[in-house]
Amino acid sequence: DQQVKQNSPSLSVQEGRISILNCDYTNSMFDYFLWYKKYPAEGPTFLISISSIKDKNEDGRFTVFLNKSAKHLSLHIVPSQPGDSAVYFCAARDSGSARQLTFGSGTQLTVLP
Amino acid sequence: NAGVTQTPKFQVLKTGQSMTLQCAQDMNHNSMYWYRQDPGMGLRLIYYSASEGTTDKGEVPNGYNVSRLNKREFSLRLESAAPSQTSVYFCASSESFWGNQPQHFGDGTRLSIL
Repeated sequence: DQQVKQNSPSLSVQEGRISILNCDYTNSMFDYFLWYKKYPAEGPTFLISISSIKDKNEDGRFTVFLNKSAKHLSLHIVPSQPGDSAVYFCAARDSGSARQLTFGSGTQLTVLP
Repeated sequence: NAGVTQTPKFQVLKTGQSMTLQCAQDMNHNSMYWYRQDPGMGLRLIYYSASEGTTDKGEVPNGYNVSRLNKREFSLRLESAAPSQTSVYFCASSESFWGNQPQHFGDGTRLSIL
C-alpha cells in the first residue's frame, strides 16, 4: 500500500504561470516532508522541505504547503521557467526509530515556453 | 565539490554474477543510504548506515548486502544477480540520521541483468 501518493503523473504549465504539484500521504507518523527534482540521467536534487510543526515554507520561487488534517502536501513554483521541467518527487520521513524516507512515484512537470 | 559519487554509471550482468556498486561522499556526512528506482515508482530504500560502523535493512533488502567501509564510503553488493534486480541504484548521504536534514543523491548506477 502506497503511503505517499502523487496522483498526477504529468503536468504541463505555460512559462511564467504557477505550477502546483500535489502529494497525499496516509501515515500520521510522518514528521518531515521534502521535495526533490530529478532530471534524466541524474540523481534527485533536494529542493525544499517542511517540518510537521509548520504549514508553509518558502525558498525563492518555491513554496511548500502542508495540510496535516488533510494529509496533503503541495509544491508551488512561481513563476515557472522552462528549466523547471523535470520529474518532481515528494518524500516523507517516519518519526519512529526507522526514520526512513518514503517517496511518491513522481510527477513530470513540463513548462512550455 | 563532487558531493556523492557512484561507480560504475552503467553495468550489464548475467544472471548469477556478482558485483559491487561503490559510493563515496565528500561532505563529511554521517549517514548513507542505498535506494533503487524502478519505472513508474518512487525510490525504495534497500539499506542504510546511520553512522560509521552500523548498517540496517530498509524496505527491500533481499538479495543485497552492504558495507560501510569508512565514513566516506558505502558499498552495495549483489551476490547472485537476478533479472528482478534490474534497476537504477542511487546512493545518498545526509549530515545526520536523526535531524531534519535532507539526503543528497548521487547520479545513479544503471544496472541491467540478463
